[in-house]
Order: sequence, then structure tokens, then C-alpha cells
Amino acid sequence: DTEVTQTPKHLVMGMTNKKSLKCEQHMGHRAMYWYKQKAKKPPELMFVYSYEKLSINESVPSRFSPECPNSSLLNLHLHALQPEDSALYLCASSQVGWEGYTFGSGTRLTVV
Amino acid sequence: TQLLEQSPQFLSIQEGENLTVYCNSSSVFSSLQWYRQEPGEGPVLLVTVVTGGEVKKLKRLTFQFGDARKDSSLHITAAQPGDTGLYLCARVQGAQKLVFGQGTRLTINP
Repeated sequence: DTEVTQTPKHLVMGMTNKKSLKCEQHMGHRAMYWYKQKAKKPPELMFVYSYEKLSINESVPSRFSPECPNSSLLNLHLHALQPEDSALYLCASSQVGWEGYTFGSGTRLTVV
Repeated sequence: TQLLEQSPQFLSIQEGENLTVYCNSSSVFSSLQWYRQEPGEGPVLLVTVVTGGEVKKLKRLTFQFGDARKDSSLHITAAQPGDTGLYLCARVQGAQKLVFGQGTRLTINP
């Protein structure tokens, strides 16, 4: 299995909703990442987990809350988002210290 | 943050033509990656270049790493509509922070 699987593929949520994005990989990668990509822009790093511990938080607002329950799973909990948070949210994984990243197909999030 | 500058930002050419896109930095980097992203999908790693002067080929795509390891280029020969997409160069900063250039949006017209 050489894939990173993200669910859901599309999500529409209101500003008062709570939702979660899920990411799963079975490649034995011990580093996992959340990226945010706005239209016509490159992906921007949000969070890095290394060996299930949060190692990088790129000053992301607290309305985004990451969680890494085990080495295969990564969640992003969303609460009280703003319309400007609408974007493609990408999950990626890699071996720690290895520079080849595998990305999922993303979740297209729309906040209304 | 050490920026990666990509050029051109947009490129639209006819099928069968050749093209080159560039990725430049004022800093030396130990390695550089190239990704292609299609609409509605995540980036897919095409190649990693590590050694100054290195050339790697992937079918009709040729990747080159500059001798000084400050720049890289991607050349596509006889472009096809399936080559359409966003081409991103990227480098790892620090331990695990993958940083992308702004990308080159390539359109190949039939």
C-alpha cells in the first residue's frame, strides 16, 4: 500500500459546526503532515507529527486542532472556522529524515 | 525562510513543443524535489536531485540540478496534454519542513 487516504473528499460546514478531517497511511511512515492550499497558491505547511508527537506548528489558529492517535492515522479537528479557511487540505507522510513525501488527494473544505 | 522562485508562473503551449521551467534560490540547498499536481489532487513526487550538476530523466522529462546547487530546471520534450498541471519545486528546511516554490502552471493544448 503506497497511498495516503484522506476522507472526506469534500466538506461543506457552517461557521458554528465541528468537523474532522481524517488521513491514513500504511507505509510505515513515522512523519505525517497537514498542509493547506488556497486556490492558485502552493501548499503551505500547518503541522508536522514525528513519531506521533507534534513537532512543528506553523502558528496555526487554535480553531484547527491536530491529533495523531497512532502511527497510521492523523486527524484535523475543525471548530468555529471562518469563510477564509476554505481551501484544499492535504495530508502527507514520509519516513523521518527522508525527503520523499507522499501526499493524499486532499479534502476540499468550504466554510459557509 | 529561503525562497524558491519559479519561472514562468504560467505557460501555455501546443502539443509537441518543448519547454523548460526553472526553480531558483539565493541559497544553496542540499537537495531539491519536483512535484506535479493535477486539479483536485495532491502533489505527486517526480524526482529528487541531490548532487550539483546532476541530471535525471523520467521519460520525456529531464531534471537538472545546478552545479552550485542553487537552481534547478525541468525540461519537457514533445509535450503532451497529459503533462498539463502545476509543477512545484520544493526543498526541506530544517528537519522536516517541506517548502514549495510558487509553481508553474502548465497547459498543453491539443
